[in-house]
Amino acid sequence: SAVISQKPSRDICQRGTSLTIQCQVDSQVTMMFWYRQQPGQSLTLIATANQGSEATYESGFVIDKFPISRPNLTFSTLTVSNMSPEDSSIYLCSVGTGVGRAQYFGPGTRLLVL
Amino acid sequence: DQQVKQNSPSLRVQEGRISILNCDYTNSMFDYFLWYKKYPAEGPTFLISISSIKDKNEDGRFTVFLNKSAKHLSLHIVPSQPGDSAVYFCAASAGTGNQFYFGTGTSLTVIP
Repeated sequence: SAVISQKPSRDICQRGTSLTIQCQVDSQVTMMFWYRQQPGQSLTLIATANQGSEATYESGFVIDKFPISRPNLTFSTLTVSNMSPEDSSIYLCSVGTGVGRAQYFGPGTRLLVL
Repeated sequence: DQQVKQNSPSLRVQEGRISILNCDYTNSMFDYFLWYKKYPAEGPTFLISISSIKDKNEDGRFTVFLNKSAKHLSLHIVPSQPGDSAVYFCAASAGTGNQFYFGTGTSLTVIP
């Protein structure tokens, strides 16, 4: 399985600011994804990070709020823009592995917005 | 609307006994199901999967059962070990899409 790291592991931010989360994979992968897990909720897919093209966003998520970069096959960033307390969540990146349709997850970034 | 539901937020089981974690879904188009395990401060770890063409998949101590008519799947862990204590998520997807729908998780505690 791929080894996935995320930075930062946690952060406390002020409302109105932005935070960029990095996701690094130890091997080249075609599919990279960004999820959010709000307190007491299930994991929700934000978007698929496509290499060389714009990310594909799920219903309820927009590029202006969650801009994503995917400059190569091992790296992606997710920015949480103009944050509010409702953005306090765990943000996780994941990759597709070719093992069926299983996805493998990074350790997550815990974000608290005050 | 939650398409994948785990109605038991927690489960306590004695070491050596069987743990049964349940998951229900509403979308009949789902054709692939997974279970993930999550320890605190870590990301979910893929555990086992099953496609809708099967009704059972086994991997060591872990077995997943799928009942399509009831739209229900379950994860059996036998024998349960203290190291199995974690939050377990089920997830489902339809077709070739990347969208996985996750349940809210069941926290399993295995008592030594």
